[in-house]
Amino acid sequence: DIQMTQSPSSLSASVGDSVTITCRASQTINNYLNWYQQKPGKAPNLLIYRTSSLRRGVPSRFSGSGSGTDFTLTISSLQPEDFATYYCQQSYSTPYTFGQGTKVEI
Amino acid sequence: QVQLQESGPGLVKPSETLSLTCTVSGDSISGYYWTWIRQSPGKGLEWIGYIYSAGSTNYNPSLKSRVTMSVDTSKNQFSLKLNSVTAADTAVYYCARREMAFVSWGQGALVTVSS
Repeated sequence: DIQMTQSPSSLSASVGDSVTITCRASQTINNYLNWYQQKPGKAPNLLIYRTSSLRRGVPSRFSGSGSGTDFTLTISSLQPEDFATYYCQQSYSTPYTFGQGTKVEI
Repeated sequence: QVQLQESGPGLVKPSETLSLTCTVSGDSISGYYWTWIRQSPGKGLEWIGYIYSAGSTNYNPSLKSRVTMSVDTSKNQFSLKLNSVTAADTAVYYCARREMAFVSWGQGALVTVSS
């Protein structure tokens, strides 16, 4: 299985801050890396697919980058509705696997 | 816009079979890959497997011996069965549609394994 490791596991930030979350795969995943946002009691919501493609309707303050085994999610100007937990997920090979999550808190 | 809704018992006894159904509305079930994912505090998000609308399947090897997925195109539904459950299978179970990623999700169904 491909292991996905996110860092940090949690972070504190303020409205307007720029935030970066990293995700490392245990082997190359050919940019098949997706990012999800999850709020308490809700299903995860896809933000970015294939490393850097923004899902339609997702604000442009979200961006993704990376290659090989190292990837990042950046939120350029944190808004109140962005406080949530973020997960990376590889869709390169089955079993598909997720990172352990990064909780973004005030 | 496609919508997914999980249904099934919220409480299952140890050693018995967990059964969930996902009802798809707003689009045909045909031509897509339909996925089950679970989330527990101890193991985070775990991909259980997927079934294509024509019936082919791909299961997580960690659960493969206990999982069966099926699809009923006439009802626009797909289902999950997980047998010989233990407390470790207690989780919120989500159904989702796989496209370039897991784009559409159900709201989730909490299943507790307890006697």
